[in-house]
Amino acid sequence: GAVVSQHPSRVICKSGTSVKIECRSLDFQATTMFWYRQFPKQSLMLMATSNEGSKATYEQGVEKDKFLINHASLTLSTLTVTSAHPEDSSFYICSAYAQGNSGNTIYFGEGSWLTVV
Amino acid sequence: KQEVTQIPAALSVPEGENLVLNCSFTDSAIYNLQWFRQDPGKGLTSLLLIQSSQREQTSGRLNASLDKSSGRSTLYIAASQPGDSATYLCAVRRAAGNKLTFGGGTRVLVKP
Repeated sequence: GAVVSQHPSRVICKSGTSVKIECRSLDFQATTMFWYRQFPKQSLMLMATSNEGSKATYEQGVEKDKFLINHASLTLSTLTVTSAHPEDSSFYICSAYAQGNSGNTIYFGEGSWLTVV
Repeated sequence: KQEVTQIPAALSVPEGENLVLNCSFTDSAIYNLQWFRQDPGKGLTSLLLIQSSQREQTSGRLNASLDKSSGRSTLYIAASQPGDSATYLCAVRRAAGNKLTFGGGTRVLVKP
């Protein structure tokens, strides 16, 4: 079945540096991918919608200059957390839709734990 | 703006008891509703998806109902097992290919 892969699964970075998280659709093409953030014991909050070949659409309150999203191909979207701070430490999850016989099915990646020290 | 609420936020039951998880949403104009399971520190696993035209979906011990007009869905897990311990999230989609709006989740603990 369709699979969405995220890399890295865990990353630790120093405050002030940037870190990139990749989201790949392994056996289907995804024109749209979604990036979520989840703080401990909280639900998923949509950060942005990543559109292949165009600019991402950010949710209200999400800084587009801090969370850079690039969707350069139909199978890859990247989220770059720039000038990371400890409060950016969180679980980041991507998702993508795959077209199937029963319509669009959404698949989630395994998530990426970011710890900023 | 769509708001999704899940009650209770946490639930602890002895093994064998049936689980009832509730989800409510404010805007009934949905495309579908989906229930997910999330284990600690992991991604999401889709459990059941109910299209807006459907009233329920079943898979094994799981049954999900949908009452779109009242903005409610219920996930039933029969004969709970310790392996069912996880966080259960419901999410609604407004249109095909659109973003999901998640509820806050229900953390379930099934005690042996």
